[in-house]
Amino acid sequence: GQQVMQIPQYQHVQEGEDFTTYCNSSTTLSNIQWYKQRPGGHPVFLIQLVKSGEVKKQKRLTFQFGEAKKNSSLHITATQTTDVGTYFCAGPERTSYDKVIFGPGTSLSVIP
Amino acid sequence: DGGITQSPKYLFRKEGQNVTLSCEQNLNHDAMYWYRQDPGQGLRLIYYSQIVNDFQKGDIAEGYSVSREKKESFPLTVTSAQKNPTAFYLCASSGGTGISGANVLTFGAGSRLTVL
Repeated sequence: GQQVMQIPQYQHVQEGEDFTTYCNSSTTLSNIQWYKQRPGGHPVFLIQLVKSGEVKKQKRLTFQFGEAKKNSSLHITATQTTDVGTYFCAGPERTSYDKVIFGPGTSLSVIP
Repeated sequence: DGGITQSPKYLFRKEGQNVTLSCEQNLNHDAMYWYRQDPGQGLRLIYYSQIVNDFQKGDIAEGYSVSREKKESFPLTVTSAQKNPTAFYLCASSGGTGISGANVLTFGAGSRLTVL
């Protein structure tokens, strides 16, 4: 079946360093979503990308959707301690649009 | 405020007992979901429902059951057949089908189930 993978699984950075997580799907996605889960919390929607090659920015966060619509990335510039958490990418399954499949997530730790 | 309410927040259960987790939403969303999250793991889909009186199995439906009698409610029963039920259970909803924006998920705060 369709799989969504993310790398790295864990990332520890010094505060102020940049961070990037990569998401890859085994099939073409109609859209890709990114969520953030703080420790002890629940996932919160960050953004959705729909178009091939799309790039969106939210302050220090930059999201990119690949040209083939099978991969995506999230880049955080100059990390802060508030960025700590797990970042998930997710997308609808090819055969059932309402079935949303999540990647395993990248856990980010920021050392002050 | 619109949102998703899950209860209970914490639940302890003895082996062999069924337990039902509640999920209620007032977002007027058509689709609802149940995910399971294990420590350090991602979200795995248990069941989802696109419309009242209809639901579909996700990737790990064995040992679970659901119902969708009302648009606002999507309870999950963890049965005694579920071999490793200790986990964090997340309910979510989305606005329905469509290409752009429709299947963005809003999550509840979760229910943490521990089997003793």
